[in-house]
Amino acid sequence: GQQVMQIPQYQHVQEGEDFTTYCNSSTTLSNIQWYKQRPGGHPVFLIQLVKSGEVKKQKRLTFQFGEAKKNSSLHITATQTTDVGTYFCAGASGYSTLTFGKGTMLLVSP
Amino acid sequence: DTEVTQTPKHLVMGMTNKKSLKCEQHMGHRAMYWYKQKAKKPPELMFVYSYEKLSINESVPSRFSPECPNSSLLNLHLHALQPEDSALYLCASSQPPRIGANVLTFGAGSRLTVL
Repeated sequence: GQQVMQIPQYQHVQEGEDFTTYCNSSTTLSNIQWYKQRPGGHPVFLIQLVKSGEVKKQKRLTFQFGEAKKNSSLHITATQTTDVGTYFCAGASGYSTLTFGKGTMLLVSP
Repeated sequence: DTEVTQTPKHLVMGMTNKKSLKCEQHMGHRAMYWYKQKAKKPPELMFVYSYEKLSINESVPSRFSPECPNSSLLNLHLHALQPEDSALYLCASSQPPRIGANVLTFGAGSRLTVL
């Protein structure tokens, strides 16, 4: 079945440093979504990418979808303590359900 | 505030108890989901309802029984659970029919502990 690998599993940065998490799929995706889950919270939708090579920005967050639609990344510029949480990518092919990556837990020290 | 409401927030039950988790959404979505999430793991799909009909059951044990009384409500009936079933149970909703293509709105979850 479809697999979505996500790295790193965990990252601890100093406030102000940049952060990137990467997702790779074993199959071509029709779309990839990113969710953020704060400690003790629930996943909250951040963005959806559907086009090959797509790049979207939300303030300090930059999301990319690879040309082959098999990989994606989330980059945070100048992290803040409010960025703490686990970031999940989730991809789907055709009419399949979303497959979640294992997530990257981000810790930010002030 | 989340637009998908789950009750109860916390539930402790014994292995012989029968309990239910409830989920309500007022977003006009016609697909609803149950996910199970263990600590430090991603959400794991259990069931999908589309237009109030069960469309996906991810080989979930029969001690979990879903129910969708109407387009806004989703229940998960629990019976004879095991301690390893302790987890955060998340309800989500989206627009059908392209289940995998649609964005999920999650509820805050029900944290279940089975003793």
